[in-house]
Amino acid sequence: GAVVSQHPSWVICKSGTSVKIECRSLDFQATTMFWYRQFPKQSLMLMATSNEGSKATYEQGVEKDKFLINHASLTLSTLTVTSAHPEDSSFYICSAPSENYGYTFGSGTRLTVV
Amino acid sequence: GDSVTQMEGPVTLSEEAFLTINCTYTATGYPSLFWYVQYPGEGLQLLLKATKADDKGSNKGFEATYRKETTSFHLEKGSVQVSDSAVYFCALDYGGSQGNLIFGKGTKLSVKP
Repeated sequence: GAVVSQHPSWVICKSGTSVKIECRSLDFQATTMFWYRQFPKQSLMLMATSNEGSKATYEQGVEKDKFLINHASLTLSTLTVTSAHPEDSSFYICSAPSENYGYTFGSGTRLTVV
Repeated sequence: GDSVTQMEGPVTLSEEAFLTINCTYTATGYPSLFWYVQYPGEGLQLLLKATKADDKGSNKGFEATYRKETTSFHLEKGSVQVSDSAVYFCALDYGGSQGNLIFGKGTKLSVKP
């Protein structure tokens, strides 16, 4: 079946540094990738939608300059958290539409900013 | 706006116990309803879904019925196994793979042998 590989699964970084999260579709082409974020005890919330070869679409309230999304190929989408701060600590997860309707999710990345 | 409310976890059960995880929703239209499961270290996987009122989704012994009158989609399983230990997410969307799945907060289930 369709698989999305997400790395890293967890990362700890210092405040002010940048962190890149990768989502790679292993056996299908993902023209679209959705990025979600989940704060502790909150729901998964859609942050942005990336489309291969075009600019990402961000949900209301998500800073596009802080969360840089690149979808340069049909199998790779990246999310870079720039100048990370402790309030960016969260669980980030990507997903791509798959053939049988529905979504294939990555395993998620736990980001902790200290 | 639309929302999904799940029962707070964690839920701890003994093997072969009956499981219910409550899920209710608020929606302006007629969404499809989903249960996703996330096993440790893995991505979310679709467990079951229902696309209209009174539909019952089922998979791996789990069931959920789309109840429009009570705006609910409770997840049930008659006899849980240790391998069912995971986080379960209730969600809704309006189809079209637009990514606008609206999730509940997730319920962690731990099954003890």
